[in-house]
Amino acid sequence: DARVTQTPRHKVTEMGQEVTMRCQPILGHNTVFWYRQTMMQGLELLAYFRNRAPLDDSGMPKDRFSAEMPDATLATLKIQPSEPRDSAVYFCASGLMQKGQATKQYFGPGTRLTVT
Amino acid sequence: AQSVTQPDIHITVSEGASLELRCNYSYGATPYLFWYVQSPGQGLQLLLKYFSGDTLVQGIKGFEAEFKRSQSSFNLRKPSVHWSDAAEYFCAVGAGAAGNKLTFGGGTRVLVKP
Repeated sequence: DARVTQTPRHKVTEMGQEVTMRCQPILGHNTVFWYRQTMMQGLELLAYFRNRAPLDDSGMPKDRFSAEMPDATLATLKIQPSEPRDSAVYFCASGLMQKGQATKQYFGPGTRLTVT
Repeated sequence: AQSVTQPDIHITVSEGASLELRCNYSYGATPYLFWYVQSPGQGLQLLLKYFSGDTLVQGIKGFEAEFKRSQSSFNLRKPSVHWSDAAEYFCAVGAGAAGNKLTFGGGTRVLVKP
């Protein structure tokens, strides 16, 4: 049963530290999404990639956040420097984008980030 | 910009009773609409989606949803709820290419009473 995996599952860090979250999409999927979930803002799309190229990162704070796909099996989301307001659960999702069809997104279990 | 409203934050339902979760959306074009379920500590799982065609959509786990353009609604229903349906449910509208830019509602948490 193919799944999206995310590491780490939990991360506690101090303000100012760099945080890197990793995601392994389902093999064969060509699209990767990053979401953030907080009590106040709910679920927000940060960025998404197709065939490793960023398609949209308008939801991501550019000054401290960056998202990359070094290869087809790894997506990363970095925060540098981290701030307490970045505390949230970060979800990665992957899907197979096909012309004319809405992409079914498969979500990973999330990384719970706490910045103190 | 698109938006999604789920008016009910919490719903409590007895096991075996029917369930309906409300979702209203705002979007300028033909919407892609989705319902996701999130169990505690888990990621989201797609229940069903609407893109075009029949306005009554069947999904997994016995769920269905009906798209009503005139009411800008996409309500989720299940005829008989099981204890395992206790979870948080999110409605989403997709914009952009193939509806990939999802905007989620605030979610409805469902509690199932024995």
